[in-house]
Amino acid sequence: DTAVSQTPKYLVTQMGNDKSIKCEQNLGHDTMYWYKQDSKKFLKIMFSYNNKELIINETVPNRFSPKSPDKAHLNLHINSLELGDSAVYFCASSQAGGQGEAFFGQGTRLTVV
Amino acid sequence: AQSVSQHNHHVILSEAASLELGCNYSYGGTVNLFWYVQYPGQHLQLLLKYFSGDPLVKGIKGFEAEFIKSKFSFNLRKPSVQWSDTAEYFCAVKGSNSGYALNFGKGTSLLVTP
Repeated sequence: DTAVSQTPKYLVTQMGNDKSIKCEQNLGHDTMYWYKQDSKKFLKIMFSYNNKELIINETVPNRFSPKSPDKAHLNLHINSLELGDSAVYFCASSQAGGQGEAFFGQGTRLTVV
Repeated sequence: AQSVSQHNHHVILSEAASLELGCNYSYGGTVNLFWYVQYPGQHLQLLLKYFSGDPLVKGIKGFEAEFIKSKFSFNLRKPSVQWSDTAEYFCAVKGSNSGYALNFGKGTSLLVTP
C-alpha cells in the first residue's frame, strides 16, 4: 500500500487554466504538507494542514489554495496557471509535533505551456 | 530568521571515497533534525533523524550524522560511497518556534563516479 499517494504524476496544461492535484495518506497522520520543488531542486513549503486547520501559509500567491475534506486528504487547487508555476509538487504527511518524520508522495510534475 | 544552510551544492566523488555533507541551522527553541535523500526521478526518503540523546545518529545505507549543538550543525557522513549513492541530499529542520513545519536546506547534489 502506498503511504502517501498523489495524482496525477504528470500534468501539462496551458497558461490561464485551473488545475488540481490530489493527495491522500493512509498513515493516520495529523499533519499534511504541500511543497514546491523548483528546477534547482529547492524545496519550499507552501502549506501545512493540522487536523483540517491551516497552520502555515508561506508567501504563496492566493492562486494556490489547499482544500482538505478530511485529515487523510489535502488537495491543491491552482487558478490561472502561470509559466512560473512549472515545478514538481510534493505532498507529505507526518504526525503532529516535532518528532514526526515526513513521508512524501511521488510528486506531480506540472508543466505550464 | 530561521534557516537551514547546506554548504556544498555539488559534490563529485569516486567510489569508496568518504563523504561529509555540511548542514547548519539557525533556529530558536527546540529543534529536530533530519536528512533526506532523493534518488533521480524519485520522491524524498528519510535517511536518518535526530531528536535527543546520543548526538551521533546512524541511518540507513551506512549513513550517519553528528549533531553538534554548539556549532548548530548536523553533518552527514558515510565512510565509503557507492555509485548508487548518487542523489540529492537534503538537510531539514523542525523547530518549535515555527510550528514544527519541516523546512529544508537547498540540497546537495552528489555524483559518485565508478
